Amino acid sequence: QKEVEQDPGPLSVPEGAIVSLNCTYSNSAFQYFMWYRQYSRKGPELLMYTYSSGNKEDGRFTAQVDKSSKYISLFIRDSQPSDSATYLCAMCSTLGRLYFGRGTQLTVWP
Amino acid sequence: GAVVSQHPSWVICKSGTSVKIECRSLDFQATTMFWYRQFPKQSLMLMATSNEGSKATYEQGVEKDKFLINHASLTLSTLTVTSAHPEDSSFYICSATFLAGLAGGDEQYFGPGTRLTVT
Repeated sequence: QKEVEQDPGPLSVPEGAIVSLNCTYSNSAFQYFMWYRQYSRKGPELLMYTYSSGNKEDGRFTAQVDKSSKYISLFIRDSQPSDSATYLCAMCSTLGRLYFGRGTQLTVWP
Repeated sequence: GAVVSQHPSWVICKSGTSVKIECRSLDFQATTMFWYRQFPKQSLMLMATSNEGSKATYEQGVEKDKFLINHASLTLSTLTVTSAHPEDSSFYICSATFLAGLAGGDEQYFGPGTRLTVT
C-alpha cells in the first residue's frame, strides 16, 4: 500500500464550479499536510499548509484535514481557468521527509 | 519568499553521456537540499537528501553511483546522472531548506525542475 493515495483524475469543471480534491494516507505519524500546485513542466508551488485536523481557509482555497479518517481535502471555490494545473497533496512527519500523492490534473474551462 | 533555481531547465543528451544539474538557493543558505524525480503523470519521488559538507543519503532503490550528488556549499547542490540511458529520462526537481531539521514541509522551497531527455 502506498503511503499517500490520490486520484489522478483528470478532472474537468466549468468556470465558477467548486472543486474538491482528496487524498488518503496510511501513516498515522504524518502531522503536516500540504497542497501544491504544479503547472506543466514546472516545479511545485506550495498552496496550503495545515498541521491539525480541521479547516484552513485562504481566499478561494480551503484545506481540510481529518486525522481520524486519514483523509485530507482541498476545496477551490469559484474556480477559474487559471486554476488549471496538477494539484499534489503531500505530507510528512516531524522528520520532514515529504510523501507526495500522484497529483490530480484539473482543467477549468471557460 | 525564498527562491531556488535549477540549471539547465531542459537537457537532451545521447545515451552514455553524463549530465550535471545544478540547484541553487538564491537568497538563503540551504542547509539541506533534496532531489526528486517525477515521471509523467506520476508523483514526485524523493531520490536523496544532501546536507552541506557531508555525503548524501539515498532512498532505497536509488543507485548512488548512478546519481552523484554534491552539496559543496550552502547555496549549491549538483546532481550528476552518470552514463545516462533513455530510462533516466525524467523531470528532476530539487528543493532546499534553511533548517537542519525540518519541522514541517512548508520550509521546503522547490526549484522549477530540469527536464532530462536521453536519446
